[in-house]
Amino acid sequence: AQTVTQSQPEMSVQEAETVTLSCTYDTSENNYYLFWYKQPPSRQMILVIRQEAYKQQNATENRFSVNFQKAAKSFSLKISDSQLGDTAMYFCAFMKTSYDKVIFGPGTSLSVIP
Amino acid sequence: NAGVTQTPKFQVLKTGQSMTLQCAQDMNHEYMSWYRQDPGMGLRLIHYSVGAGITDQGEVPNGYNVSRSTTEDFPLRLLSAAPSQTSVYFCASRRVGGTDTQYFGPGTRLTVL
Repeated sequence: AQTVTQSQPEMSVQEAETVTLSCTYDTSENNYYLFWYKQPPSRQMILVIRQEAYKQQNATENRFSVNFQKAAKSFSLKISDSQLGDTAMYFCAFMKTSYDKVIFGPGTSLSVIP
Repeated sequence: NAGVTQTPKFQVLKTGQSMTLQCAQDMNHEYMSWYRQDPGMGLRLIHYSVGAGITDQGEVPNGYNVSRSTTEDFPLRLLSAAPSQTSVYFCASRRVGGTDTQYFGPGTRLTVL
């Protein structure tokens, strides 16, 4: 069974600085999908970025980028120029195919300090 | 489009009571699922459905029932609530095929006394 691990329960970063959140996963599949979701205090789940395993190029969405290391089964999220609105829980997630369930990691609570 | 809607937003139950958490989506998504969120444990899958008439168990199905009679609705039933079911519940939906994101409802905070 697939598992997703986030080894940093809590992190903090100064406003305008860069922070990297870690995620590792375990799977025997060759093709799959990875996601980062953000959950602010409003509780709403928001998709930040997604990566398809067959694509070697790392996904980027504005200030958010990933470092996808397929052989190491690592999928870290880098947030550049951190803003106060980035304060949230961040969840890493894995999906084998679009017909399969999405498995979430335990989350990392990120605080951006003014 | 309203997206994914959940009712109620908050609910307090006594041990042994039953209730149904409602979830509806208006995006014609085939896939729907229920998660519970507990501190330090992320989102754990309770039940999911890949289409009307088809449901399956997730990681933590005990104490919960689901049915999927229509594409739009996916209610979650607690037959006899227990304090261990105190949690925040999220419903999600997505299209099957392709890499579309999951769309989440706003969540239901349930407290069982």
